[in-house]
Amino acid sequence: DAGVIQSPRHEVTEMGQEVTLRCKPISGHNSLFWYRQTMMRGLELLIYFNNNVPIDDSGMPEDRFSAKMPNASFSTLKIQPSEPRDSAVYFCASKVGTGGLGEQYFGPGTRLTVT
Amino acid sequence: SQKIEQNSEALNIQEGKTATLTCNYTNYSPAYLQWYRQDPGRGPVFLLLIRENEKEKRKERLKVTFDTTLKQSLFHITASQPADSATYLCALGRMDSSYKLIFGSGTRLLVRP
Repeated sequence: DAGVIQSPRHEVTEMGQEVTLRCKPISGHNSLFWYRQTMMRGLELLIYFNNNVPIDDSGMPEDRFSAKMPNASFSTLKIQPSEPRDSAVYFCASKVGTGGLGEQYFGPGTRLTVT
Repeated sequence: SQKIEQNSEALNIQEGKTATLTCNYTNYSPAYLQWYRQDPGRGPVFLLLIRENEKEKRKERLKVTFDTTLKQSLFHITASQPADSATYLCALGRMDSSYKLIFGSGTRLLVRP
């Protein structure tokens, strides 16, 4: 298996632009997570999907952030409009089953820079 | 508020020695704890999970302990190698919202040849 796939790997955009990050989880995994990692705040959970349904979006910082999972093999995280403080590395992770006891498989991340 | 602390300073050790990393937490009652390894430019990789009723877990050269009285987990790498150099993250989870992992900021380990 190729593992969790994220695209793009790097994104540089100007403030105010829309940014869409993409994730393909590992086949057969029914839990999907979006995280954001910064030096100041570390790794933070943004949103959790189970069987394509958003279960917990309490970590989404503002209404500018939205996430979708139209099917079991694809998810997007959108920021509109983007701001410089959104600059971070965004990770997608997937796992088998519901709950946290199992290991999460992380993608390589998307490094977002908003100027 | 919940707080998880890992040494922010890098741990620098000689090859062959045992590396010991610390994860302390406050205002939190985790049901389990996970340790991940993260290399520069990559996502975290799962290493070990230990439940609250387990005192110790081992996997090859890795050992994790979990002391709920001290609110502390120790992560040991025995016979360390330069290839073990990376950042190590601890993450706590609770049974009532078991999908939600709270990550520490990580400790960077440097193993000198």
